[in-house]
Amino acid sequence: DAKTTQPTSMDCAEGRAANLPCNHSTISGNEYVYWYRQIHSQGPQYIIHGLKNNETNEMASLIITEDRKSSTLILPHATLRDTAVYYCIVSLGGNQFYFGTGTSLTVIP
Amino acid sequence: NAGVTQTPKFQVLKTGQSMTLQCAQDMNHEYMSWYRQDPGMGLRLIHYSVGAGITDQGEVPNGYNVSRSTTEDFPLRLLSAAPSQTSVYFCASSYGRGRNEQFFGPGTRLTVL
Repeated sequence: DAKTTQPTSMDCAEGRAANLPCNHSTISGNEYVYWYRQIHSQGPQYIIHGLKNNETNEMASLIITEDRKSSTLILPHATLRDTAVYYCIVSLGGNQFYFGTGTSLTVIP
Repeated sequence: NAGVTQTPKFQVLKTGQSMTLQCAQDMNHEYMSWYRQDPGMGLRLIHYSVGAGITDQGEVPNGYNVSRSTTEDFPLRLLSAAPSQTSVYFCASSYGRGRNEQFFGPGTRLTVL
């Protein structure tokens, strides 16, 4: 599975959009991009995933560049409850997920 | 549905002791996995299973055994605990067959003295 690179930490003002970048320059054509988050020491929570097209659900939007070498997770209106560590993972699917250290997002009041 | 459940929530062992971490899911998921998370680090895959009777090694399998005799259960066994196995252990499951969003349990916090 391809490795990912994410910033260690980011801040975002409450109510503003949080844009979390991820580089995955060695991604292969059939690997998906998954995003999870982990609040405090709870189990990670699935957010969204995509292959080529941009995706949106009730939690977030996922923008994947045309060359698929990077992506951005967008939380449209960040709240204090969105403070968490966000993990970007590329995977063929199945259940072999390789987590990095993620981005620690702090939403500031 | 209870989702993914893990027992115990906390456990303290002495070096050399053995124990089994329990994981169960009631969502009829084919895929199940075990991860460990050390302080300040991401999750690392220990073992995984794509169905009853099928298991395979992940990134850090040494010191751990698994079995999958039923779809619902995926226990993780520590045969001879070592301080290096002090960690938080998470179990996860997913439907499989192209629907691979993983659902995680609440974790087991293990300390080996």
